[in-house]
Amino acid sequence: DIQMTQFPSSLSASVGDRVTITCQASQDISYYLNWYQQKPGKAPNLLIYDASNLETGVPSRFSGRGSGTDFTLTINSLQPEDIATYYCQQFDELPLTFGGGTKVEIK
Amino acid sequence: EVQLVESGGGLVQPGGSLRLSCAGSGFTFSSYNMNWVRQAPGKGLEWVSFISKSGNTIYYADSVKGRFTISRDNVDSSLYLQMTSLRAEDTAVYYCARDAGVVIGGDFDYWGQGTLVTVSS
Repeated sequence: DIQMTQFPSSLSASVGDRVTITCQASQDISYYLNWYQQKPGKAPNLLIYDASNLETGVPSRFSGRGSGTDFTLTINSLQPEDIATYYCQQFDELPLTFGGGTKVEIK
Repeated sequence: EVQLVESGGGLVQPGGSLRLSCAGSGFTFSSYNMNWVRQAPGKGLEWVSFISKSGNTIYYADSVKGRFTISRDNVDSSLYLQMTSLRAEDTAVYYCARDAGVVIGGDFDYWGQGTLVTVSS
């Protein structure tokens, strides 16, 4: 199975800060990676698909980069509504696997 | 408006069975692959199972293979997960997720609100 490692597992930042979350795959997954945001008590919401494409309706302060084994999700100018846990997910091969999540809090 | 609504969760004893349902509306259900994803309390996301648009192609996570059965009814726009031989480690919120990707798992663009399954004596 492909292991997805996210770091940090949690972070605290101020409103307006730039936040970067990293996701590493245990093997080359090309660009077959998605990012999801999950707010407390809610279902996950797709933010970025195919590593760098912004899902319709997602604010442009979110961006994704990377290919192969190393990927990043960046939030430019963190907003209070961005408080959530973020997950990466690979779909290069089955079983589909998710990273352990990064919890983002406001300082 | 696309909606996915899960039901059927609850408390069940170890070794017991449960059938989850997911009702889709607001889209052509038969045009989309579907998945089940679960989340244990306070934990991360775990993919459980995939079913193709027609129902002819099915995959499972090793952790549920042989115990869970995914199915769908495109006439009723419904997705199902029959769960048997339940274990404590199956305790989780179960989400159904629409898969709009060309590749399996490539685009979980809509999710249900989830249904909680608790396996305990």
